[in-house]
Amino acid sequence: EIVLTQSPATLSLSPGERATLSCRASQSVSSQLAWYQQKPGQAPRLLIYDASNRATGITDRFSGSGSGTDFTLTISRLEPEDFAVYYCQQRSSWPPTFGQGTKLEIK
Amino acid sequence: EVQLVESGGGLVQPGGSLRFSCAASGFTFSTHGLSWVRQAPGKGLEWVSGINSGGSTFYADSVKGRFTISRDNSKNTLYLQMDSLRAEDTALYYCAKGRYSVYGPFDSWGQGTLVTVSS
Repeated sequence: EIVLTQSPATLSLSPGERATLSCRASQSVSSQLAWYQQKPGQAPRLLIYDASNRATGITDRFSGSGSGTDFTLTISRLEPEDFAVYYCQQRSSWPPTFGQGTKLEIK
Repeated sequence: EVQLVESGGGLVQPGGSLRFSCAASGFTFSTHGLSWVRQAPGKGLEWVSGINSGGSTFYADSVKGRFTISRDNSKNTLYLQMDSLRAEDTALYYCAKGRYSVYGPFDSWGQGTLVTVSS
């Protein structure tokens, strides 16, 4: 199975700063990678699919890039509501797998 | 608006069984793949099982032979039958709609139903 490794495990930033989250795959997933946001007590929410496409209703402060094995989620100017856990997920091969998550916390 | 509403979770003893469902609305149920994704307490997300629009089923190795996914397109409902439950199956189980396939990306999620396996 494809292992997704997210870094850093925890990212401490202040509102207004730029956040850069990384996801590395153990083998190529082409562009078949998605990013999700999960807040405490809530279900995950799709942010980005196919590496760089924003899901419906997602602000353009969120952007995704990468292909193959290295991917990045960028949040351009952090708002208070952006502090959450972020997961990447690949659908390139069975079984679909998730990264272990990056917790974005307020500094 | 897409809605996915799970029901049927609860407390069950090791070795026991549980069946829960996910009622869907707001989209053409029969044409979409659906999956179950679980999250153990304080842990990350794990894909468990999926069923495509044609009824083909897919399972993670950790549940193969113990869990059975099914769908009833006439009722817009997804099911998961869980047998031979283990303590490590304790988790919040989410129903998720695949944008393209049962493998994701998952563009809508239910609120989750909690399964606790304990004696």
